[in-house]
Amino acid sequence: DTEVTQTPKHLVMGMTNKKSLKCEQHMGHRAMYWYKQKAKKPPELMFVYSYEKLSINESVPSRFSPECPNSSLLNLHLHALQPEDSALYLCASSQEAYGYTFGSGTRLTVV
Amino acid sequence: LAKTTQPISMDSYEGQEVNITCSHNNIATNDYITWYQQFPSQGPRFIIQGYKTKVTNEVASLFIPADRKSSTLSLPRVSLSDTAVYYCLVGEDDMRFGAGTRLTVKP
Repeated sequence: DTEVTQTPKHLVMGMTNKKSLKCEQHMGHRAMYWYKQKAKKPPELMFVYSYEKLSINESVPSRFSPECPNSSLLNLHLHALQPEDSALYLCASSQEAYGYTFGSGTRLTVV
Repeated sequence: LAKTTQPISMDSYEGQEVNITCSHNNIATNDYITWYQQFPSQGPRFIIQGYKTKVTNEVASLFIPADRKSSTLSLPRVSLSDTAVYYCLVGEDDMRFGAGTRLTVKP
């Protein structure tokens, strides 16, 4: 298995909702990442987990809460989001210097 | 801040060779150079990675001069399906993307 799987592919949520994005990989990669991407912009790093521990938080608002339950799974819990949080959310994984594998993303719309 | 600089956009025609250059003046001794391709509404896809001189795979070639302060991604005989954004990243610890190069291939 050489893929990063993200679910759901699309999500519409209200500003008072709580939802979660899920990311899974079975390549044995020890680092996992969350990115946010707005239209016609590059992916923007949000969080990095290394060996299941949060190593980088790019000053992301607390309404985004990451979780790494085990080495294969990464979640992003969403609460009280704003319409400007609508974006493509990408997950990636890597093993040392050998490049990064990205999922196909979750398209999030906040209404 | 991103450590790389690329042209914002490039145009080409089908069948031509396209070379995209990335500047990375502050590259560290241990840093690899990695290029990614991204189509709209998809995650970036790994194209090629190198450390020095030349690397070639079935998709592209990567040229890195001796001082390693730049690198050039070469796409041979592009087709319409190569229209995408191309990003170069430097180093294994910094996963922050620069603006990338938007390549448009015309018929």
